[in-house]
Amino acid sequence: DVKVTQSSRYLVKRTGEKVFLECVQDMDHENMFWYRQDPGLGLRLIYFSYDVKMKEKGDIPEGYSVSREKKERFSLILESASTNQTSMYLCASSSGLGNTGELFFGEGSRLTVL
Amino acid sequence: AQSVTQLDSQVPVFEEAPVELRCNYSSSVSVYLFWYVQYPNQGLQLLLKYLSGSTLVESINGFEAEFNKSQTSFHLRKPSVHISDTAEYFCAVGRIGRSSYKLIFGSGTRLLVRP
Repeated sequence: DVKVTQSSRYLVKRTGEKVFLECVQDMDHENMFWYRQDPGLGLRLIYFSYDVKMKEKGDIPEGYSVSREKKERFSLILESASTNQTSMYLCASSSGLGNTGELFFGEGSRLTVL
Repeated sequence: AQSVTQLDSQVPVFEEAPVELRCNYSSSVSVYLFWYVQYPNQGLQLLLKYLSGSTLVESINGFEAEFNKSQTSFHLRKPSVHISDTAEYFCAVGRIGRSSYKLIFGSGTRLLVRP
């Protein structure tokens, strides 16, 4: 069964802390994505990566950075967490071959920043 | 640039009634279209997709959606809903021809099925 696995389902952090959200996929997908989901706003793209060590900003990259050192792993980093980053974070991947854009999602990581 | 509009933020419906969740998109180029479903405390799962060919696409659990190019719509329908269909539904559009792909999502419609 193919999977996208996010390391933490629920996290509680304090303002100013550094936060790492990890995502691993086992489908050998080229593309990986980090979305943020907020009520009434749908999913907004933070960053995506189409190859190892390659990354592109999405629609809301401010306050975030990413790392992709291996094909299967894509990490989202909050250098200094703030309360307005309290949200659900969704990782997704897609194939680069014959790409239709179909995304495979993880279960999500719900982050609360106090 | 592409955009997706889901006008209804919440749709309450009684069990066994029909339902339609609306999705309109704007794009200057040809697109792929998707509906994803999110059950409580879970990630998104693909429900159905339109890539090419027949404009009517179906899912394994009785949902269907019709691509209407002239109206730029991709509404999701089910003739008889179940309690288990209670979830949030997201419409998404992707642009044909790009090698590194981004989907644009609508704001979601929460389907609430009541007994």
